[in-house]
Amino acid sequence: NAGVTQTPKFQVLKTGQSMTLQCAQDMNHEYMSWYRQDPGMGLRLIHYSVGAGITDQGEVPNGYNVSRSTTEDFPLRLLSAAPSQTSVYFCASSSRTGGYEQYFGPGTRLTVT
Amino acid sequence: AQSVTQLDSHVSVSEGTPVLLRCNYSSSYSPSLFWYVQHPNKGLQLLLKYTSAATLVKGINGFEAEFKKSETSFHLTKPSAHMSDAAEYFCVVSDLRNAGNMLTFGGGTRLMVKP
Repeated sequence: NAGVTQTPKFQVLKTGQSMTLQCAQDMNHEYMSWYRQDPGMGLRLIHYSVGAGITDQGEVPNGYNVSRSTTEDFPLRLLSAAPSQTSVYFCASSSRTGGYEQYFGPGTRLTVT
Repeated sequence: AQSVTQLDSHVSVSEGTPVLLRCNYSSSYSPSLFWYVQHPNKGLQLLLKYTSAATLVKGINGFEAEFKKSETSFHLTKPSAHMSDAAEYFCVVSDLRNAGNMLTFGGGTRLMVKP
């Protein structure tokens, strides 16, 4: 049981490049979320999904897209990277039957130059 | 809307002395509250959670927290700090009515433990 996995662990992009951060979970959780972590600001919600085919915006969605074609996968796309998107990104999943406890992936550290 | 304020960005204690990390929350509904810990360059680990059962919640590694509705507080305590407790701690609120169980994080408190 791998839990929540994220790839890559580290990434460096140039301004304007696009990329996809991958997130997968093997716990059959219906809820999945993406957060970014910046110093002194805790984690802020980017996008979330309550099930396959359903996504919605969180607190800081601009510059990011998501899709949820399967229960297991929830990729985060950066359309045109900007230095302000330099951050650590965490994916999380949870389920109602699990008491909504969120399980976090190990994170992806992204630097945009 | 919900929000979380962690009253101290840094706390320093000596090994063997008590730990107190303070957290105040705001929520328009009966919230669920959590404390997460993050060790350097690691992911987040759940320490404990309050979900409207007992107001004194015991977590892992000897930590506990007390939910005080009248004070809108959820402070984290531990009787005796260990060197391995040095980490960043996040107080988190969730309104389970929100679709997707969205979490709102406090800014974090970095705990330093001196030998």
